[in-house]
Amino acid sequence: AAGVIQSPRHLIKEKRETATLKCYPIPRHDTVYWYQQGPGQDPQFLISFYEKMQSDKGSIPDRFSAQQFSDYHSELNMSSLELGDSALYFCASSALTMDSVSYNEQFFGPGTRLTVL
Amino acid sequence: KQEVTQIPAALSVPEGENLVLNCSFTDSAIYNLQWFRQDPGKGLTSLLLIQSSQREQTSGRLNASLDKSSGRSTLYIAASQPGDSATYLCAVAQGGSEKLVFGKGTKLTVNP
Repeated sequence: AAGVIQSPRHLIKEKRETATLKCYPIPRHDTVYWYQQGPGQDPQFLISFYEKMQSDKGSIPDRFSAQQFSDYHSELNMSSLELGDSALYFCASSALTMDSVSYNEQFFGPGTRLTVL
Repeated sequence: KQEVTQIPAALSVPEGENLVLNCSFTDSAIYNLQWFRQDPGKGLTSLLLIQSSQREQTSGRLNASLDKSSGRSTLYIAASQPGDSATYLCAVAQGGSEKLVFGKGTKLTVNP
């Protein structure tokens, strides 16, 4: 079965640089979520999109922005990178309704490991 | 603010043992609860999803229960195997928002 695809899998950047992370949700899923997992930490919600509109926002820094495109893929843009941004960034997708049943099980991608030097 | 706690933080058991992982949450107004497995440096694999109206879900050797009123969930693993070694994360989706709030996980080691 198709899974959530994230690219790149690994990314190394210098401080103050920018980074763009991409996420391709499972086909027919209408909601995309971004989470950040720091070393030894639990995942923290950043932002979500439902049908290409921002649906919820968590502890996402102002330096970060995200969007969902017409083909449902999403990009997380990160500017003025700081050492503390080094983390695993996960994208997840879900279908709020499927066959008229409220569902919303979130399926996670493999993550992008961002290292800021 | 929803807080999710998992106990114990780490657990080491011999192969073949049945075990229970615990998860508690402070706000019972949840939409659903998911249990995940995470291997070191890897992504999260969804194990079980329990809707707020459900009491339990089963998948193979795994059984998860939900007591929404008391803010508790348990993940029961039967006949544990070394391949079950991983960190198990509990996460709740709050009513009105689909974002997941995670616990800090239980690191399970199953010894051969």
